[in-house]
Amino acid sequence: SYELTQPPSVSVSPGQTARITCSGDELGDQYVSWYQKRPGQSPTLVIYQNNERPSGVPERFSGSNSGNTATLIISGTQAVDEADYYCQAWDSSTVVVFGGVVFGGGTKLTVL
Amino acid sequence: EVQVLESGGALVQPGGSLRLSCSVSGFTFSFYAMSWVRQAPGKGLEWVSAISGSTGDTYYADSVKGRFTISRDNSENTLWLQMNSLRVEDTAIYYCAREKAAVGYGMDVWGQGTTVTVSS
Repeated sequence: SYELTQPPSVSVSPGQTARITCSGDELGDQYVSWYQKRPGQSPTLVIYQNNERPSGVPERFSGSNSGNTATLIISGTQAVDEADYYCQAWDSSTVVVFGGVVFGGGTKLTVL
Repeated sequence: EVQVLESGGALVQPGGSLRLSCSVSGFTFSFYAMSWVRQAPGKGLEWVSAISGSTGDTYYADSVKGRFTISRDNSENTLWLQMNSLRVEDTAIYYCAREKAAVGYGMDVWGQGTTVTVSS
């Protein structure tokens, strides 16, 4: 089955740029989405199709995807951005049939 | 307002069954694929199952294949997840989510979740 690998934690100072990576075999050949998850709340989509922002998501959130790595970039990180972040793609390990959806293990972003 | 609302979570014994429901409003339900995603205590997000909007094609994670069944009624704006042969490891908050485009392209509307506890 297909696996997406994220660092368990990332720390950033307020106002700085946070980068959260997501690695998977030939990940750049498909679309990646990113979700923000705060404790006790439902997940929120912050990036879809690699670098598109849903309406209402601040412009400081952006994404990229190339080769085997997708990256969520938060520019000018604020304290309110402290949360868990999950990447998501689809299982591309099967060729003939749709293999399903896969989430990365999640990254805890700490704004120090 | 676009909304999804899950219900049906409960405490159930191992080997038991449960049916979760997801009622939606504010959008044309039949236009969208839907997914169920769960989060076990202290763990990350795990995709469980998905169903396409109009054709009803279904997809399952290996961990639930053969035990869970996803279905929908577009006339009632309702999604279900029938869970059989429940295991302790199925304990989680279960979320219903709308797929923004096709399955796997991003889930843009989420419910508040419903809690399933499998324990003797």
